Amino acid sequence: EPEVTQTPSHQVTQMGQEVILRCVPISNHLYFYWYRQILGQKVEFLVSFYNNEISEKSEIFDDQFSVERPDGSNFTLKIRSTKLEDSAMYFCASNRNYNEQFFGPGTRLTVL
Amino acid sequence: GQQLNQSPQSMFIQEGEDVSMNCTSSSIFNTWLWYKQDPGEGPVLLIALYKAGELTSNGRLTAQFGITRKDSFLNISASIPSDVGIYFCAGRRSNDYKLSFGAGTTVTVRA
Repeated sequence: EPEVTQTPSHQVTQMGQEVILRCVPISNHLYFYWYRQILGQKVEFLVSFYNNEISEKSEIFDDQFSVERPDGSNFTLKIRSTKLEDSAMYFCASNRNYNEQFFGPGTRLTVL
Repeated sequence: GQQLNQSPQSMFIQEGEDVSMNCTSSSIFNTWLWYKQDPGEGPVLLIALYKAGELTSNGRLTAQFGITRKDSFLNISASIPSDVGIYFCAGRRSNDYKLSFGAGTTVTVRA
């Protein structure tokens, strides 16, 4: 069964460094998302991406964040200058239509 | 984001018991989804609901889309040890792409 995959599974970085989190959505899906989950808290929406542009973003998704679909398979989230409070699990999700969203296993980002 | 109130926050149950949890919102949703998350992993979709009043089953799981479109519940019948985990409700409003998540219900099963 097709799955969303994410790399790396764990990323440790120094505060102020740039990180790029990578996702490969399910191949015939058209809508792509990033969510984050701070330890012990609920899943929070960051951004959605459709037709090569951002379709919706939350107040969390400020100028430090960007997304890109550099080719036909990858979907990336970049954090330009990481802060301690960016430490969280980051989940990529995708779907073919508006409804069910399928999540990847996540990348645990630790900012020191 | 939209506030989803999920309850209970946690529950301890005996193996074989039934489990119920629910989510309520002040907003109307077009879609309700229920996910299960194991530690260190991503949410796994259990059930999707699209119509008010809809009742859908997936094995021992049953979920309903409330008729007001502002609530949903999930039942797990005859719980087993592998039902342990955190269950999240999520809803999508008609003009949104995003899902709004509840805070989760942590289920622990005693053998």
